[in-house]
Amino acid sequence: DSGVTQTPKHLITATGQRVTLRCSPRSGDLSVYWYQQSLDQGLQFLIQYYNGEERAKGNILERFSAQQFPDLHSELNLSSLELGDSALYFCASSPGGDTQYFGPGTRLTVL
Amino acid sequence: GDSVTQMEGPVTLSEEAFLTINCTYTATGYPSLFWYVQYPGEGLQLLLKATKADDKGSNKGFEATYRKETTSFHLEKGSVQVSDSAVYFCAPDPNQAGTALIFGKGTTLSVSS
Repeated sequence: DSGVTQTPKHLITATGQRVTLRCSPRSGDLSVYWYQQSLDQGLQFLIQYYNGEERAKGNILERFSAQQFPDLHSELNLSSLELGDSALYFCASSPGGDTQYFGPGTRLTVL
Repeated sequence: GDSVTQMEGPVTLSEEAFLTINCTYTATGYPSLFWYVQYPGEGLQLLLKATKADDKGSNKGFEATYRKETTSFHLEKGSVQVSDSAVYFCAPDPNQAGTALIFGKGTTLSVSS
């Protein structure tokens, strides 16, 4: 158990819909990262927050957005969903050093 | 830009066989290097890391040495077990500052008894 929690574990929705994925980092970790894992693209970095501020952006679509709240939990919002958005979404947290601790992931299925 | 290349899988071995998974990277500067492992149905876990040239990371019988001259970080284990069956990801951290990792595509290892 990494100490990072993600909810929900599974999510099934339809094209065009909007969903919110939630991540609670390890106690005391200020950095939160979001990754997308799909069969064709592999594991790709989406976005990083550090203590509430956006720190870095990767291959995140404009339909996707994220935020980190004062209690350090983070949410990833995915809108206008397409079939190709079906993937595993991982959250990771870090105390600010180089090691990242990954959550168990949220499996999103878009029908 | 920075990138990483891992050997294609799947790798299928018998128990107690020797394992090598190749990883090479391109990066400006000297990144920290990581191997992460993903067991079936789980998130990624840090397996080992090395932060400077010639450093050897080791954990659970796995080893990898940071080779600056060949920009490589190959993962090895002398005797694999069925429980090592998983997907292994090589990942450099270009900025050594806890920024986003660049993941390889992952190598699936399947060990049979």
